[in-house]
Amino acid sequence: DGGITQSPKYLFRKEGQNVTLSCEQNLNHDAMYWYRQDPGQGLRLIYYSQIVNDFQKGDIAEGYSVSREKKESFPLTVTSAQKNPTAFYLCASSSKFSGANVLTFGAGSRLTVL
Amino acid sequence: KQEVTQIPAALSVPEGENLVLNCSFTDSAIYNLQWFRQDPGKGLTSLLLIQSSQREQTSGRLNASLDKSSGRSTLYIAASQPGDSATYLCAVRLGSSASKIIFGSGTRLSIRP
Repeated sequence: DGGITQSPKYLFRKEGQNVTLSCEQNLNHDAMYWYRQDPGQGLRLIYYSQIVNDFQKGDIAEGYSVSREKKESFPLTVTSAQKNPTAFYLCASSSKFSGANVLTFGAGSRLTVL
Repeated sequence: KQEVTQIPAALSVPEGENLVLNCSFTDSAIYNLQWFRQDPGKGLTSLLLIQSSQREQTSGRLNASLDKSSGRSTLYIAASQPGDSATYLCAVRLGSSASKIIFGSGTRLSIRP
């Protein structure tokens, strides 16, 4: 079945550590996105990518980094510069050439700073 | 700047009732609007997508409408069931490419048996 796989589901980080969240899709989608969700709030865009080797900052990119070396993969690194990283992180993708541009989400990764 | 608002933040209704969830946006220049469902601790599941040229979309017991001129969309749920309990989010896409998609903060719906 086609879909988006995020791993790990739960992740704990110590202060000062960098951690990387994985996002893989087999939907042949061109665009991929990373969102952060905090309790009681909507999703906020961290980074998005329209094509391989290209990505743009979203509204809250500070303290995060991404890469897009393959169409299927869009990993997110939460660096030590991110002062409040505890949150639920959601990866999504959409087809550039789909008339509907339906956004499809993974199951999410919950990051907790110890 | 586009802002998306969902009021109320939480709603509780008895099973079997028909209900309407609201989504408001400040800028009518949207490409499309999508409604999602999110269960606790899970990702988002797409329910309905309405293109800017459309007025409504239907899927089973769900009907979503769009009125760009007034900056409003509604999600109508018929004959609600306890399994409909979840948080419902709306999101507006601002352009045809992989551009920004702005989310509302959601309405947490609880259906009482």
